[in-house]
Amino acid sequence: EPEVTQTPSHQVTQMGQEVILRCVPISNHLYFYWYRQILGQKVEFLVSFYNNEISEKSEIFDDQFSVERPDGSNFTLKIRSTKLEDSAMYFCASSSKDTFDHGYTFGSGTRLTVV
Amino acid sequence: LAKTTQPISMDSYEGQEVNITCSHNNIATNDYITWYQQFPSQGPRFIIQGYKTKVTNEVASLFIPADRKSSTLSLPRVSLSDTAVYYCLVGDMDFGNEKLTFGTGTRLTIIP
Repeated sequence: EPEVTQTPSHQVTQMGQEVILRCVPISNHLYFYWYRQILGQKVEFLVSFYNNEISEKSEIFDDQFSVERPDGSNFTLKIRSTKLEDSAMYFCASSSKDTFDHGYTFGSGTRLTVV
Repeated sequence: LAKTTQPISMDSYEGQEVNITCSHNNIATNDYITWYQQFPSQGPRFIIQGYKTKVTNEVASLFIPADRKSSTLSLPRVSLSDTAVYYCLVGDMDFGNEKLTFGTGTRLTIIP
């Protein structure tokens, strides 16, 4: 079964540092997403990406965040200057137009800890 | 966006059938009902999606009454590995680009 792959699985960074979280979506999917889940809280939408541009973003996705699809396979989330409250699990997901029988496929996540 | 309400937690014994019901009174005509499963420290995993009546796949069934104001996820003969949080989501999934809005879900615990 195709998977969404995320690296690294864990990342510890100092407050104020930049981090890049990486994702390899399923190869024939066209829509890409980032979600996050603070420990013990809901899974929250951050951003969706289609045709090399952001299609929608949440209030959480402020100027500190950016996404990029630098090549045909990777999809990255950059946090420019991390804050303590950015500590969370970050999940990448992808989907195709025909999601009805398969839904959105999520990766296993990157646990980001800001110290 | 239709709000969903589901039980915070449920317990069941191994081998039983588990039914988790979700209310979505304000569901719109274009909305589908989707269920996801999440294990600790993992991303959500798609279980099943439907629009009306009954949908069945290899892992679950989804029952949706005619008024579509609720839905029931049915897990047959659960095992310990089905212990997870189950989320009911409602939204227009027709375009493949709909953001998913997760609630708090139902924490299902399977007891040996």
